[in-house]
Amino acid sequence: AQKVTQAQTEISVVEKEDVTLDCVYETRDTTYYLFWYKQPPSGELVFLIRRNSFDEQNEISGRYSWNFQKSTSSFNFTITASQVVDSAVYFCALTYVETSGSRLTFGEGTQLTVNP
Amino acid sequence: DSGVTQTPKHLITATGQRVTLRCSPRSGDLSVYWYQQSLDQGLQFLIQYYNGEERAKGNILERFSAQQFPDLHSELNLSSLELGDSALYFCASSQSWGLYYGYTFGSGTRLTVV
Repeated sequence: AQKVTQAQTEISVVEKEDVTLDCVYETRDTTYYLFWYKQPPSGELVFLIRRNSFDEQNEISGRYSWNFQKSTSSFNFTITASQVVDSAVYFCALTYVETSGSRLTFGEGTQLTVNP
Repeated sequence: DSGVTQTPKHLITATGQRVTLRCSPRSGDLSVYWYQQSLDQGLQFLIQYYNGEERAKGNILERFSAQQFPDLHSELNLSSLELGDSALYFCASSQSWGLYYGYTFGSGTRLTVV
């Protein structure tokens, strides 16, 4: 069965601190994709990254970086020098493909609050 | 603007009523997915359509139904509404279905049942 676990329900940091959001997944598939989405207070889901299971290279995009470790089934997300605008709920998600369809399985989300 | 259009943005209705949520996918996308985000259940997959056909089904209640029309827009119908149906309903679209396609989400319809 597919499962995504984000054990951190809420994280609160002070601006300029680094913060890491954890994501652990379970899947029996050998090929899969992992995603991170950001949901700001306005409610929309903003795509951040998609990573396939064959690419374990870390990725950096500005202040954001992702650490994918297949051996531990983890896909963690780090924000460096956090800013107030980073305050949002962050979701990790995993693809699930059936015989004739597909979907994303989401974790429960981590509420990040960055205080000035 | 993600290219996925959901209407209405907000909807307030009474228990027992029926509502229809509409989604227009991004141009060129053939798959449409519906998700429900409630406070206690998180983001739950409801149903997927590809080019007019139902392709995958999640924990969608029998009171809920959906369809995708020839012009590829989709509607999610919610009937006999209960207080617990209050949630943010997202539509997403993708070029096709399967492993290699990304998902583009709309901004959601916030449904409040009173």
